[in-house]
Amino acid sequence: QKEVEQNSGPLSVPEGAIASLNCTYSDRGSQSFFWYRQYSGKSPELIMFIYSNGDKEDGRFTAQLNKASQYVSLLIRDSQPSDSATYLCAVKINSWGKLQFGAGTQVVVTP
Amino acid sequence: GAGVSQSPSNKVTEKGKDVELRCDPISGHTALYWYRQSLGQGLEFLIYFQGNSAPDKSGLPSDRFSAERTGGSVSTLTIQRTQQEDSAVYLCASSLVGSRDRGYEQYFGPGTRLTVT
Repeated sequence: QKEVEQNSGPLSVPEGAIASLNCTYSDRGSQSFFWYRQYSGKSPELIMFIYSNGDKEDGRFTAQLNKASQYVSLLIRDSQPSDSATYLCAVKINSWGKLQFGAGTQVVVTP
Repeated sequence: GAGVSQSPSNKVTEKGKDVELRCDPISGHTALYWYRQSLGQGLEFLIYFQGNSAPDKSGLPSDRFSAERTGGSVSTLTIQRTQQEDSAVYLCASSLVGSRDRGYEQYFGPGTRLTVT
């Protein structure tokens, strides 16, 4: 069974601070990684994807990938109350694109 | 452009009845996926379509569940003889399957909330 592990949280972050979310995966052959945001009662929304080692920045979001250590992280800079949501890490685990999802980390940004 | 659409948004049905859930993927996306998410739980993969074929049905929980896709576009998920444990949000996603590990981003529809009474 290919595993994707996330800290369930809640991760409490003051407004304006950096939220740091981590995700580890078991399949060393995985090549593609995704972060989804899911508001309560809504469907997952893709916010970042990363395929190469290193950092990828998009606005206030930075995804970091370290394949050697088998972890991927998401940084949210200048956190806003609207960032309060559950963040799902997903890893592509086979050739046709099946994603294995983590259970998600709940983030709460406090004003 | 238009995203993934699903209908109905909510469905309440009596135990033992059949239900059909519909998914309309993003135009041009060849891959389509069905998931379900029970209250407070993670995403559970059900089935994957590439075009009209379903090479991976491994997540369908029982033979009461079936799905088809026609014209490489719209898909329907059918649940026969619904049970209370079928109550969940059923999510559809689509992707433009690429090559060399590109294009596998999945985009989700708003989901269908199914309640079996």
